[in-house]
This record gives sequence, C-alpha cells and structure tokens, in this order.
Amino acid sequence: DIVMTQSPDSLAVSLGERATINCKSSQTVLDSSKNKTYLAWYQQKPGQPPKLLISWASTRESGVPDRFSGSGSGTDFTLTFSSLQAEDVALYYCQQYYRSPLTFGQGTRVEI
Amino acid sequence: QIHLVQSGAEVKTPGASVKISCKTSGYSFNRNAIHWVRQAPGQRLEWMGWMNSDKGNTIYSQKFQGRVTMTKDTSASTAYLELSSLRSEDTAVYFCARDDGGSYLTDFWGQGTLVTVSS
Repeated sequence: DIVMTQSPDSLAVSLGERATINCKSSQTVLDSSKNKTYLAWYQQKPGQPPKLLISWASTRESGVPDRFSGSGSGTDFTLTFSSLQAEDVALYYCQQYYRSPLTFGQGTRVEI
Repeated sequence: QIHLVQSGAEVKTPGASVKISCKTSGYSFNRNAIHWVRQAPGQRLEWMGWMNSDKGNTIYSQKFQGRVTMTKDTSASTAYLELSSLRSEDTAVYFCARDDGGSYLTDFWGQGTLVTVSS
C-alpha cells in the first residue's frame, strides 16, 4: 500500500498569514505514461464530509477560492493557503488515487 | 445539482451485519462509479472499495475482503454497502463518494452514516 504522511499534524496561523501543509507518499503517484499525478487534497469541517479542493496535485476545483493552491510532484506535495481566513479552520487530508487501495494522509488540523 | 444522500445512523451488536444506502441524484447514475470510505473516531479516512455503477463489478480493499459487499439498484440510482461480522473496531462514519469518471478521484460525497457497534 502507498503510505501518505502529512506534516505538521496541526498548524496555528494568524488571520491573513500564509500557511503550508506537506504530504509525502511512500511511492511515486505519477503515471509518467500519461504525465498525470494522482494526488488530491480535501478539506473536512466538523460533522461534514470531505470536500475536494485540489485534484491532479495542482488543479483547483470549481468554486474553491484561489487562496488555496497545490504543488509538488513524484512523492512530495504541498497545499498552500496564501492568506488564511476564518472559514479555513478545518482538517485537511491528502490522498493518492494512483493505486488501490486508495490511501489518505493522517490529516492536518488548521486553526487560527 | 449532484447529491448523494445516505441512510440514517445504525446501532449493531458484534457479529451482526449492516447495510447502508446511498441515493444519488443530479447525474446519470451508471456513468460514475461509487466509492465507500470510512472514518473511525480520531482516525484517518480509510478507503473500503469501489463499484462500477454500470456493470456492478467491484474492487475491495484487501482489509475488508470477505466482509464487504457493494451493490446497486440502478432503477433507484442507489448504491449499497453491506459489512458483515461487525466488531467494535467497525464503529465509524461511513461515506459514499462519486468517482469523477474513471480516474478513481472522488468528487462528491454523501453526508455520512454513523455505525456504532456495541454489545
């Protein structure tokens, strides 16, 4: 199984400040034949299901604010908040969907 | 609008089975596969498997092989998850999620169903 490891486990950031969450996969999630990276980021608020923010490592989903951005390749990825807002308080998960079983990171809690 | 609406909370005794439904709307059911993911208290999200909503073929995580069954009722645009031989460690919120169209990316999720296993 591909193991996904996030860092840090929790993060406290001032409003308006920049923040980053890291995610490392135990194997590459790049399909070089298709030039596609099978890495997604989700946001989960209490009592809600995960919400897809970023797919293919860096493609922001429709309706997701542009303060969220994803980057990285191969085995190392980053989710960046350019300017943290109060509504961004949540748990964030990375996920690889390259190989079965699909696997998630342990989550990073973002607080103000 | 795309919606996945799951059945309500369940309380089961150890050894029993549970069957959860996931009613979809807002898209053509048989065009997108359905994934099932669970989240035990304080734990990371755990993928259980995937079902092709057209043909009904499945891929199960090895961890749940032999205990999990994913089925569908195409006429009702509904997917089902059945988990048998329940134990306390199966206490979790179970989510269905739509596959975006062949890449195993999950784009829309149900609200979750809490299953509590307790004697």
